[in-house]
Amino acid sequence: DAKTTQPPSMDCAEGRAANLPCNHSTISGNEYVYWYRQIHSQGPQYIIHGLKNNETNEMASLIITEDRKSSTLILPHATLRDTAVYYCIAFMNTGFQKLVFGTGTRLLVSP
Amino acid sequence: DTAVSQTPKYLVTQMGNDKSIKCEQNLGHDTMYWYKQDSKKFLKIMFSYNNKELIINETVPNRFSPKSPDKAHLNLHINSLELGDSAVYFCASSRWDRGPLNSPLHFGNGTRLTVT
Repeated sequence: DAKTTQPPSMDCAEGRAANLPCNHSTISGNEYVYWYRQIHSQGPQYIIHGLKNNETNEMASLIITEDRKSSTLILPHATLRDTAVYYCIAFMNTGFQKLVFGTGTRLLVSP
Repeated sequence: DTAVSQTPKYLVTQMGNDKSIKCEQNLGHDTMYWYKQDSKKFLKIMFSYNNKELIINETVPNRFSPKSPDKAHLNLHINSLELGDSAVYFCASSRWDRGPLNSPLHFGNGTRLTVT
C-alpha cells in the first residue's frame, strides 16, 4: 500500500471549512484513498473514499488531484464535534481490509 | 442499535493472567477484525476473520488467540498477559467484496487493557 503523508495538526474556526491535505505520491492505479477519523476515546469512523473522481457524502467531500498524487478532505462547515484525528489511507481494495493507519492529522475546531 | 460492540470497555489485570475480550456486530457483515492501538496511538491490524475463517494474522504472539464462533462474533483471548500488552483493542467489521462495493470498516469503541 502507498505511503501517505499528512500534516500533524491543523486548526479551524467553527463554521469555517476545514481542508485536510494528504500526499500519496506513490499511489498505484488500483489503490483507493480512504479517510477515517478518530474522536477521542472512540473507535475510528469511516468518512469517505474515492479512486480518481471527486466524491461527496453527507459528512465531507474528497478532492483527488488528476495525477492522484494528493487529495484533500473538506469538511464544509466544521463544528466542535469534528475535533478528531483524521487518517488518510491508500490501499488496494482486494476485499480484506488490512488498513495501515499512520499518525494522521489532529484537527482542532475552536469556537 | 449499537453496530459493533465490545466488552468489557475497561480491563485491568495483573501480569500472567489470562483474559478475554468479546466483540459482536449486528450489521450482517461477514468479515471481522482486531486492531491494536498502542500508547503512541499507532493503530495496527492483528487478525481478520472472514466467515469464521482466519485470513489475516499479523505475526501476533501465540499468546493471542482469536475465536469466531459465528460471523457476528469475534473474541480475543490473551494468555499470560505482559506489561507490553497494555493498549486499546478495537474490533471492526466489514462486508467482503472487491472494489468500490467493499464496505468500509465499522469499529467498536475499544477495550482499554491495562496490565500491571
